[in-house]
Amino acid sequence: DQQVKQNSPSLSVQEGRISILNCDYTNSMFDYFLWYKKYPAEGPTFLISISSIKDKNEDGRFTVFLNKSAKHLSLHIVPSQPGDSAVYFCAARISGSARQLTFGSGTQLTVLP
Amino acid sequence: DAMVIQNPRYQVTQFGKPVTLSCSQTLNHNVMYWYQQKSSQAPKLLFHYYDKDFNNEADTPDNFQSRRPNTSFCFLDIRSPGLGDAAMYLCATARSYSYNEQFFGPGTRLTVL
Repeated sequence: DQQVKQNSPSLSVQEGRISILNCDYTNSMFDYFLWYKKYPAEGPTFLISISSIKDKNEDGRFTVFLNKSAKHLSLHIVPSQPGDSAVYFCAARISGSARQLTFGSGTQLTVLP
Repeated sequence: DAMVIQNPRYQVTQFGKPVTLSCSQTLNHNVMYWYQQKSSQAPKLLFHYYDKDFNNEADTPDNFQSRRPNTSFCFLDIRSPGLGDAAMYLCATARSYSYNEQFFGPGTRLTVL
């Protein structure tokens, strides 16, 4: 039972355009969501997060949107740069619980110069 | 720089030959996790430690064991590796359950011949 789903295994966008990565979840107990970025041969690195009490969080070129009623979140990257090419993982958890991060299977983003 | 270090980065073992993967951290975090990630799949939690308190996931095979001799180090022992255990093994840390962000090491790529 995959509680966090990233249905697009890959996405290609042109440099300077917007990248939109999507994530859906099924467990309504999740109240905190994170995006991680992973380059080849490296571990995932934290990118941005959002609490369920918010519907938007912005950090520079990165914005995460949360739609709780749809159990959907998205990561927007504007403008996209070639260095953004990586695998992006969506993760979710129940704050304060011993239960750990539940990850999606990732989306490979390729930004074309 | 404070960080999470995994050794070795690449490990080759033979079917059934025990292997130990190592993780160390300079963050002084209370929680350490081991994840298994197979190609194009989500990282899957195997177990975690809160200080010396070991927490096993229900579906983690008995073939996988872990040790945490002190705050800084955590080991993953695979007693009899099978071909299906070939994967990337990721170590992560967190300050405590109250902190949502996890910090990952670069991973160890395990090959089973």
